[in-house]
Amino acid sequence: GENVEQHPSTLSVQEGDSAVIKCTYSDSASNYFPWYKQELGKRPQLIIDIRSNVGEKKDQRIAVTLNKTAKHFSLHITETQPEDSAVYFCAASSDFGNEKLTFGTGTRLTIIP
Amino acid sequence: GAVVSQHPSWVICKSGTSVKIECRSLDFQATTMFWYRQFPKQSLMLMATSNEGSKATYEQGVEKDKFLINHASLTLSTLTVTSAHPEDSSFYICSASRDRASPLHFGNGTRLTVT
Repeated sequence: GENVEQHPSTLSVQEGDSAVIKCTYSDSASNYFPWYKQELGKRPQLIIDIRSNVGEKKDQRIAVTLNKTAKHFSLHITETQPEDSAVYFCAASSDFGNEKLTFGTGTRLTIIP
Repeated sequence: GAVVSQHPSWVICKSGTSVKIECRSLDFQATTMFWYRQFPKQSLMLMATSNEGSKATYEQGVEKDKFLINHASLTLSTLTVTSAHPEDSSFYICSASRDRASPLHFGNGTRLTVT
């Protein structure tokens, strides 16, 4: 089955700086890669996703890049703000929508004011 | 966007008792729902796929007789933790999508504590 690795496990950045979180996956059939943000005790919230037919997607301060050849994808957050502090999970799926997601191990991002 | 609701949000039960958790899609019909478990400071681990009108598909290592899943309608899936033990204490979250072209959305989760 699919295996998703995520790095780093913790990340601290100064407010206003950029944060990058990286994930690798093992199943070459995976074609959908969402990123979720989870605050303490709350549900994961989808923040951005990308499909395998594109290499990059951006939504305001958040961007995701995908390298299918290397089987890795990354989350980029620019101009970080204190409210960006949370745990971020990457995930991979071989089908978009109605298919199970395999999650990475999570990255605890702390924005230092 | 799609709304997935879970109930209860937290529950405390005694060891040996059973607990039922409900997952509802409020503004769409979901033929498939997913149940995840998340231990403190860990990732979400898929437990099972709930299929409306048929048996659930369990992931390897998940006891189907302990975690009973029923998906009796297109808007409701239930997870029953039978004969709960302290090691079953965890955060249980369901998810569903409106259709195959829509992303998965998660319920608000249920924190189960077994004493």
